[in-house]
Amino acid sequence: KQEVTQIPAALSVPEGENLVLNCSFTDSAIYNLQWFRQDPGKGLTSLLLIQSSQREQTSGRLNASLDKSSGRSTLYIAASQPGDSATYLCAVKGNTGKLIFGQGTTLQVKP
Amino acid sequence: NAGVTQTPKFQVLKTGQSMTLQCAQDMNHNSMYWYRQDPGMGLRLIYYSASEGTTDKGEVPNGYNVSRLNKREFSLRLESAAPSQTSVYFCASSAQRDSNEQFFGPGTRLTVL
Repeated sequence: KQEVTQIPAALSVPEGENLVLNCSFTDSAIYNLQWFRQDPGKGLTSLLLIQSSQREQTSGRLNASLDKSSGRSTLYIAASQPGDSATYLCAVKGNTGKLIFGQGTTLQVKP
Repeated sequence: NAGVTQTPKFQVLKTGQSMTLQCAQDMNHNSMYWYRQDPGMGLRLIYYSASEGTTDKGEVPNGYNVSRLNKREFSLRLESAAPSQTSVYFCASSAQRDSNEQFFGPGTRLTVL
């Protein structure tokens, strides 16, 4: 059974820092991995999708990497801003076609 | 282009009452999904529809039914609500089941008293 873990559960950094969020999964047979952002009381916003054949994806200040063999993905946020404060979720899709979510990392960027 | 829309945004029910949560997408996606999000449990799949005319159970289907009314709409019904169904419900869609990005609606916050 696929399990997805995100560490740390919470992170607080000063504005301007570069930071890395971690996601690990137990079954490497995945179709893709997706990173989401969720603001308090809101829905999920898709940030990046990495297909199983890809190693990384970039969007603006965000860079996500995927190492299937080790069951790990990282989300790198460059030059963090207070507006980046949110909960970040990773989810993997396996051969069942279902997304399995981690518990999320809640990020606070202090001005 | 509204993406994925859900109604209602908020709902309070009494135990035993029934209701239907509505979801629609305007992206011509084939696959649609219903999730629930609970503190400490994360997001869990209730039901999904890989394509129009098909529905399948997810991780936590008990107490729910779904209808894929057409390609655009996918509804979730609670026949006899229970306090354990207090949650935030999200609808999502993707172009295809396996390889594509999922897009989420804003959620419905349901409280069952």
